[in-house]
Amino acid sequence: AQRVTQPEKLLSVFKGAPVELKCNYSYSGSPELFWYVQYSRQRLQLLLRHISRESIKGFTADLNKGETSFHLKKPFAQEEDSAMYYCALSGFRSGGYQKVTFGTGTKLQVIP
Amino acid sequence: GAVVSQHPSRVICKSGTSVKIECRSLDFQATTMFWYRQFPKQSLMLMATSNEGSKATYEQGVEKDKFLINHASLTLSTLTVTSAHPEDSSFYICSAYRDTTYEQYFGPGTRLTVT
Repeated sequence: AQRVTQPEKLLSVFKGAPVELKCNYSYSGSPELFWYVQYSRQRLQLLLRHISRESIKGFTADLNKGETSFHLKKPFAQEEDSAMYYCALSGFRSGGYQKVTFGTGTKLQVIP
Repeated sequence: GAVVSQHPSRVICKSGTSVKIECRSLDFQATTMFWYRQFPKQSLMLMATSNEGSKATYEQGVEKDKFLINHASLTLSTLTVTSAHPEDSSFYICSAYRDTTYEQYFGPGTRLTVT
């Protein structure tokens, strides 16, 4: 079974402060991890994925297999970062297509 | 970027009627599409995986006779909520899986209200 845990429902930080959104996962195989973001009244969109190892909008996330974590970080929060963030895990199953399991989401609120 | 549309964006129906929601990938072909349900202030729950040309794969606890899925072409999947009840009121979101980028692209969602 695959499971994604985001312990914080709401994270409030001041503008310019560092941000860390926590994500832990459970998966028996080798997972692919993602962070999705949903801005107010917009559709869900991919923010970044661990295999890309890139920084998007200043956000980075490192897969730590030992701690089964994929925390999302940004050194200096901006007001436009306020949104709902979902951590997601992809595992393969028979047929080859990917089943994605989402965490419960963390609402990031950046206070001006 | 890839675009996925859903129609309608909002629908209100009476209890006992059926509602069809369409999900289209506008600029790429998708052999696999996913249907999710999202309750207020909760995460997305995968309902089923829609496979072009074959039967959908439903997640545990999802009634396949109630939520009919048809993936008739490489750009269209439909979700029909049959004999809808107020408890089916929710936000339904589809996504299309793009093989070339190994990425899911999400539709804007459909708000279903059953009165």
